[in-house]
Amino acid sequence: GENVEQHPSTLSVQEGDSAVIKCTYSDSASNYFPWYKQELGKGPQLIIDIRSNVGEKKDQRIAVTLNKTAKHFSLHITETQPEDSAVYFCAASQVGTSYDKVIFGPGTSLSVIP
Amino acid sequence: GAVVSQHPSWVICKSGTSVKIECRSLDFQATTMFWYRQFPKQSLMLMATSNEGSKATYEQGVEKDKFLINHASLTLSTLTVTSAHPEDSSFYICSASGLYGYTFGSGTRLTVV
Repeated sequence: GENVEQHPSTLSVQEGDSAVIKCTYSDSASNYFPWYKQELGKGPQLIIDIRSNVGEKKDQRIAVTLNKTAKHFSLHITETQPEDSAVYFCAASQVGTSYDKVIFGPGTSLSVIP
Repeated sequence: GAVVSQHPSWVICKSGTSVKIECRSLDFQATTMFWYRQFPKQSLMLMATSNEGSKATYEQGVEKDKFLINHASLTLSTLTVTSAHPEDSSFYICSASGLYGYTFGSGTRLTVV
């Protein structure tokens, strides 16, 4: 089955700096890669996603890149703010197949220091 | 946007009793629903996948007789933790798949004493 790895497990940045989180996946059949932000005691919230036919996607301060050949994808947050502090999860799924389920990476705890 | 309501948000039960958690898609029909379990400072681990009117498909290592899943309609799935034990204490999260992709509930904190 699909296995998603994520690095780093913890990340501290100064407010205003950029944060980068990297993930790899194992199953080349995966075609959808969402990123979630989870605050303590809450469910995960989708912040951005990318499909396998796209190499890069941006939404204001957040961008995601995908390298299908290397099976890598990354989250980039620019101009970080204290409210960006949370746990971030990358994930992979095979939308439209019998393996249509979201498999999560282990998570990255991001701290933005004011 | 798509909203998934999960209830209750927290529950405390005695060891040996059963607890039911509900997951509803409020404004869309969910073709598939998923149940996850999350231990403190860990990731979300998929427990099972269910389609309306069908038996759930459980991930390896998840006891189907302990975690009963009922997906009676396109908007409602329930997870029942039977004969709960302290080691079942965890954060349970549901997700629904529909036209808007995957939408997650807010989670249920289960504490078994």
